[in-house]
Amino acid sequence: GQQLNQSPQSMFIQEGEDVSMNCTSSSIFNTWLWYKQDPGEGPVLLIALYKAGELTSNGRLTAQFGTTRKDSFLNISASIPSDVGIYFCAGPSDSGAGSYQLTFGKGTKLSVIP
Amino acid sequence: ETGVTQTPRHLVMGMTNKKSLKCEQHLGHNAMYWYKQSAKKPLELMFVYNFKEQTENNSVPSRFSPECPNSSHLFLHLHTLQPEDSALYLCASSQGGVQETQYFGPGTRLLVL
Repeated sequence: GQQLNQSPQSMFIQEGEDVSMNCTSSSIFNTWLWYKQDPGEGPVLLIALYKAGELTSNGRLTAQFGTTRKDSFLNISASIPSDVGIYFCAGPSDSGAGSYQLTFGKGTKLSVIP
Repeated sequence: ETGVTQTPRHLVMGMTNKKSLKCEQHLGHNAMYWYKQSAKKPLELMFVYNFKEQTENNSVPSRFSPECPNSSHLFLHLHTLQPEDSALYLCASSQGGVQETQYFGPGTRLLVL
């Protein structure tokens, strides 16, 4: 099946620093989604990307849909302690008969040092 | 605030117990999903319901039994679980269709003793 590779797996940064993480796939995706999950909670949708080359911002977050449609990246500017959590990329894959499933990466765990 | 709610938030059960997890979505979506999230593993899709019909069952053991009485409610009935079934169980919903942007509930943290 389709797989999404996220990197880095984890990162420790100082408060105020910018963060960059990415997601790559061996196959084409038509949509890229970025979620954040706080401990003990469900993932929350941050940004959705629907078109190759699209660059979308949500506050301090910026995500881009790669032009090859096989990758996406997420940037966080001027990180703050509440940015701590696990960031997942996801994309829909055709499971046949008009049904779609979301494929998730393994996540990037972000720790922010005050 | 979330449009998808799950109860209970935490559950401890013995291997011989029977319990049910409940999910409700207030977003007017047509598709609902159950996922299992174990430590250090990607989210695992368990079941998909589209317009109340089950469209996916990803080789989930029969000790997990889903029920979708209407497009707003989804249940996961549990019986004779194993300790390795301990995990965070997440419900999600989506409008349906190609884009499949899913919105998640807060999850039920399950511990099987």
